[in-house]
Amino acid sequence: DQQVKQNSPSLSVQEGRISILNCDYTNSMFDYFLWYKKYPAEGPTFLISISSIKDKNEDGRFTVFLNKSAKHLSLHIVPSQPGDSAVYFCAASARRYIFGTGTRLKVLA
Amino acid sequence: NAGVMQNPRHLVRRRGQEARLRCSPMKGHSHVYWYRQLPEEGLKFMVYLQKENIIDESGMPKERFSAEFPKEGPSILRIQQVVRGDSAAYFCASSPRQWGGTALNTEAFFGQGTRLTVV
Repeated sequence: DQQVKQNSPSLSVQEGRISILNCDYTNSMFDYFLWYKKYPAEGPTFLISISSIKDKNEDGRFTVFLNKSAKHLSLHIVPSQPGDSAVYFCAASARRYIFGTGTRLKVLA
Repeated sequence: NAGVMQNPRHLVRRRGQEARLRCSPMKGHSHVYWYRQLPEEGLKFMVYLQKENIIDESGMPKERFSAEFPKEGPSILRIQQVVRGDSAAYFCASSPRQWGGTALNTEAFFGQGTRLTVV
């Protein structure tokens, strides 16, 4: 039972354009959400978070949006840069963090 | 301040052997989490340990898998009698406080992982 889903395994975006990565969840008890970025042969690194009491959190080029009624969150990267090419995982917590399967983002120069 | 250190980076074991994966958390972190990433899948929670205690092992298979985090030394994830299905990347993360649940925003830092291959 996959409680956190990232339905797009991959995404390609042109440099300078917006990247939108999506994540859906099923458990309404989740109260905190994270995005992690992972480069090949490295561990995941924290990117940005959002609490369930907010609907938006912004950090530089990265913005996370939370739509609780739809149980959906998204990560926007603007403008996208080639160095953003990585696998992005969303994670949600009620008790322990549950991760999605990841979306591989490729930013084309 | 060194990050989370995992070793070995790569481990090859024959079926039936034992695998020991080590994780040294960041300095000052007493909470350790182990996750497993199977091919084409996300990170699956396995176990949460605090110094000398297993807090939550709900994600760990009941047989062949065990974990510890002694007072001194690294956290160890031990897999006995490995099978091909155990081949995966194993990541540990550490945090200064509980990560997840009702705790306030706390970031956990991941190690580079150990890639276990069972032949």
